[in-house]
Amino acid sequence: KQEVTQIPAALSVPEGENLVLNCSFTDSAIYNLQWFRQDPGKGLTSLLLIQSSQREQTSGRLNASLDKSSGRSTLYIAASQPGDSATYLCAVKIDTDKLIFGTGTRLQVFP
Amino acid sequence: DGGITQSPKYLFRKEGQNVTLSCEQNLNHDAMYWYRQDPGQGLRLIYYSQIVNDFQKGDIAEGYSVSREKKESFPLTVTSAQKNPTAFYLCASSPTERTEAFFGQGTRLTVV
Repeated sequence: KQEVTQIPAALSVPEGENLVLNCSFTDSAIYNLQWFRQDPGKGLTSLLLIQSSQREQTSGRLNASLDKSSGRSTLYIAASQPGDSATYLCAVKIDTDKLIFGTGTRLQVFP
Repeated sequence: DGGITQSPKYLFRKEGQNVTLSCEQNLNHDAMYWYRQDPGQGLRLIYYSQIVNDFQKGDIAEGYSVSREKKESFPLTVTSAQKNPTAFYLCASSPTERTEAFFGQGTRLTVV
């Protein structure tokens, strides 16, 4: 059974720091991996999608990498800002067409 | 604007009552999903549908029912058989089942 783990569960950093959020999964048979952002009481906003054949994707200050063989993905946030404060979720899509989610990393960036 | 619309944003249910959560998308996506989110837990899949008039149970389907009569609509009914329905419910869609998923803004259901 596929399990997705995110470390750390919470992170508090000063503005301007570069951050790495980690996501690990137990079964490498995935179709893709997606990173989301969730603000309190809101839905999920898609940040980056990495197909299983890809190694990384970039969007602005965000860079996500995927190492399928080791079951790991990282989300790199450059030059963090208070507006980046949110919960970050990773999810893998598996052959039964489900998205399996981790429990998230709650990020707080203070001025 | 294209997107996924969930309504209502807040919903209160009395004990023993059935309630229906609405999810509509104008993205022309084939696949649609319902997830439940509880504090401290990841999102859990309730039901999903890859095509009109067809849907499959997810990991926690007991006490829920769905229909997919139109491509753009995927309503979720929380029945009285669901013993602990208080949660945040999220609807999602994707062009096919193996592509990027997009989410609505959620419905918070509370039992009173």
